[in-house]
Amino acid sequence: QQPVQSPQAVILREGEDAVINCSSSKALYSVHWYRQKHGEAPVFLMILLKGGEQKGHDKISASFNEKKQQSSLYLTASQLSYSGTYFCGTEHGGFKTIFGAGTRLFVKA
Amino acid sequence: EAGVAQSPRYKIIEKRQSVAFWCNPISGHATLYWYQQILGQGPKLLIQFQNNGVVDDSQLPKDRFSAERLKGVDSTLKIQPAKLEDSAVYLCASSVGTIGYQETQYFGPGTRLLVL
Repeated sequence: QQPVQSPQAVILREGEDAVINCSSSKALYSVHWYRQKHGEAPVFLMILLKGGEQKGHDKISASFNEKKQQSSLYLTASQLSYSGTYFCGTEHGGFKTIFGAGTRLFVKA
Repeated sequence: EAGVAQSPRYKIIEKRQSVAFWCNPISGHATLYWYQQILGQGPKLLIQFQNNGVVDDSQLPKDRFSAERLKGVDSTLKIQPAKLEDSAVYLCASSVGTIGYQETQYFGPGTRLLVL
């Protein structure tokens, strides 16, 4: 079951914040976040391994709410380089990572 | 450290032809993944290897797709015969593979396939 990402797309001005959500109808064991720029391969951002975990580096962070079966990615003070498509990937106790359809983020000057 | 290598980068074929893609994972990575990414969608796992054994191939259309990972290093993915709906980017990824899940996946640049 593919995780649902919201919003599907967002446009920001430089310096604004954004939140991208990822929710699943099945119990989550872990959540991955990747960013993909147009025509390039997805690049790993972070992985959250247990409920309640929060991670971040630079101005990008994420949280994992195991009970609600969802994760959120927070982008603070966005930069032009943040533009791209953000994918969450969920694991449900097996080996397979299931990716969402992506959230397209566009940051303009 | 060299990344995941894939070739070719682009391929155009006609329907019913066959095509093969090659992937060389990061050195020492035990797990190798093949994903299909259709335009505007997220990557969909086709097959996952741990060393040279298949961990998951539940979404691989086995009537036309095949993959192998001989000697547990590089891998090839083949489509025979190709259909129009196979037009996509085929991404290869690898991970250290000590446990086979909950691991960072490193993606290659992908092969863009267009089936006419």
